[in-house]
Amino acid sequence: EPEVTQTPSHQVTQMGQEVILRCVPISNHLYFYWYRQILGQKVEFLVSFYNNEISEKSEIFDDQFSVERPDGSNFTLKIRSTKLEDSAMYFCASTGQRTDTQYFGPGTRLTVL
Amino acid sequence: GENVEQHPSTLSVQEGDSAVIKCTYSDSASNYFPWYKQELGKGPQLIIDIRSNVGEKKDQRIAVTLNKTAKHFSLHITETQPEDSAVYFCAAKGPGGGSYIPTFGRGTSLIVHP
Repeated sequence: EPEVTQTPSHQVTQMGQEVILRCVPISNHLYFYWYRQILGQKVEFLVSFYNNEISEKSEIFDDQFSVERPDGSNFTLKIRSTKLEDSAMYFCASTGQRTDTQYFGPGTRLTVL
Repeated sequence: GENVEQHPSTLSVQEGDSAVIKCTYSDSASNYFPWYKQELGKGPQLIIDIRSNVGEKKDQRIAVTLNKTAKHFSLHITETQPEDSAVYFCAAKGPGGGSYIPTFGRGTSLIVHP
């Protein structure tokens, strides 16, 4: 069964450093999403991406964040200058059509020291 | 925007008992309600979903009910097993306001004791 994959599973970084989280969505999907989940809290929407551009973003997704689909398979989330409060699990998700069910990846645990 | 409330935050049951998790939503235009199971260290996985044109849906030991008038929906797990232990999230999604992004509840930690 096709699945969303994410790398790395765990990323530790120093405050102020840049990180890039990587995702490979399900191959025939068209819509891509990033969510974050701070430990013990609910899943929060960051950004959605379609046709090589951002379609929606939340207030969390400020200028420190960017997304990119550099090739036909990868979808990345970049945090330019990490802060302590960026520590969280980051989930990538994808759907075939906008109204379809979202399929989530296993997540990347980001720890900012 | 949409607001989803989920209760309880923690639910502890004995193996074989039933478990019920309840959610309410605020946007009457929401028309799609998925439920996700999140095991420790993993991403949310869809377990069942319901659209607003039906009132109930079942899949083996799990079922979801939807009351559009009251704007609430519930997850029912019968004959619970230890492997059902996880965090369960409800969500609501729809065309209201043009957003197709689901709004998640805060999650319910289900603990099934053997």
